[in-house]
Amino acid sequence: GEDVEQSLFLSVREGDSSVINCTYTDSSSTYLYWYKQEPGAGLQLLTYIFSNMDMKQDQRLTVLLHKKDKHLSLRIADTQTGDSAIYFCAQGGGGYNKLIFGAGTRLAVHP
Amino acid sequence: DTEVTQTPKHLVMGMTNKKSLKCEQHMGHRAMYWYKQKAKKPPELMFVYSYEKLSINESVPSRFSPECPNSSLLNLHLHALQPEDSALYLCASSQGGGQGGEKLFFGSGTQLSVL
Repeated sequence: GEDVEQSLFLSVREGDSSVINCTYTDSSSTYLYWYKQEPGAGLQLLTYIFSNMDMKQDQRLTVLLHKKDKHLSLRIADTQTGDSAIYFCAQGGGGYNKLIFGAGTRLAVHP
Repeated sequence: DTEVTQTPKHLVMGMTNKKSLKCEQHMGHRAMYWYKQKAKKPPELMFVYSYEKLSINESVPSRFSPECPNSSLLNLHLHALQPEDSALYLCASSQGGGQGGEKLFFGSGTQLSVL
């Protein structure tokens, strides 16, 4: 069945890089997504990668996709306190954009 | 305008009440979604509307009744809810008809508490 797995918690020092990892099961997913959720708020689309790409860079964000291993990662360079949030990996499977979300990784940034 | 707007932000209701959640977008998106998110859990899909027609109902109990009056509006009518229905209800939209591979834009959600 469809499943997306993420580690639940990551703590980093301000200014360091953060790497959030995700594994997924649906190899037919066309797109893979990273969403950010701050406390009490909705989900903000951070970035996404098309399944035929290996890497995508967008300012401080770098997405790496190892399709053979069904492994997705999000690297945040120069992590700031404002980056503290929950980060959800999602795979887009089948029609009608039925996104399957991972459990979310809580990123804590400390001075 | 790149926002999905949800009202109210917070709602407290009794199990015998009838209430409605509202969602609005003016991006010209043709697919709209309702997701439910329990505390410390990922969002789970409830309904998808594509071109104002209900495309997906993820076996949601009938006490939740969606409505799409036009391409910009999406409602979720609530009746006889249970305490376990307390959650954050998120609305989302996407540009196409929801055929897959589209980016979803989410609203801030309505935090619902059922007493």
